[in-house]
Amino acid sequence: GENVEQHPSTLSVQEGDSAVIKCTYSDSASNYFPWYKQELGKRPQLIIDIRSNVGEKKDQRIAVTLNKTAKHFSLHITETQPEDSAVYFCAASSNYQLIWGAGTKLIIKP
Amino acid sequence: DTGVSQNPRHKITKRGQNVTFRCDPISEHNRLYWYRQTLGQGPEFLTYFQNEAQLEKSRLLSDRFSAERPKGSFSTLEIQRTEQGDSAMYLCASSSNRDGVSGANVLTFGAGSRLTVL
Repeated sequence: GENVEQHPSTLSVQEGDSAVIKCTYSDSASNYFPWYKQELGKRPQLIIDIRSNVGEKKDQRIAVTLNKTAKHFSLHITETQPEDSAVYFCAASSNYQLIWGAGTKLIIKP
Repeated sequence: DTGVSQNPRHKITKRGQNVTFRCDPISEHNRLYWYRQTLGQGPEFLTYFQNEAQLEKSRLLSDRFSAERPKGSFSTLEIQRTEQGDSAMYLCASSSNRDGVSGANVLTFGAGSRLTVL
């Protein structure tokens, strides 16, 4: 079955710097890759997603890249701000089921 | 329709009691999921419905757990004879496969029901 690995588990960056979180997946049939942000005590919320027919997608300070050959995808956050502090989850899907990464705790240092 | 609604938001119960959680998905969503999340972990899949049919149930789910979606709208998750290990946040999510775009399964989560078993 599908397996998604996410790194790092914790990432601490200076406010204003960029943050990159990486995920790898095992099932070559996976064709949808969302990223969710979960603030402490709140629900996971979709922040960006990418489908397998696209290599990169950008939404303001957030971008996601996908390398289908290598089976990995990454989340890039530029000009980080305190409100970016949260746990970020990647996931991969080929049907109705999302397979989740273990999460990355992003800490923005003032 | 303002999103996925779950209740109760918090439930404290004694070990051995039964609890039931309710989820009202986004009305036009035909897919409904239950997840469990403990502190510091990602969402753990429990079960999935497409309309009223329960199509998958995690092997991690013991027979004390049962979920229903009788009319393809709201769903209930019941835990019988609760144990302390059941303490967690129970998240419901819904999505639609009717958006005409293949390969996208955009989940919208509810705020969750936090269970504490004493």
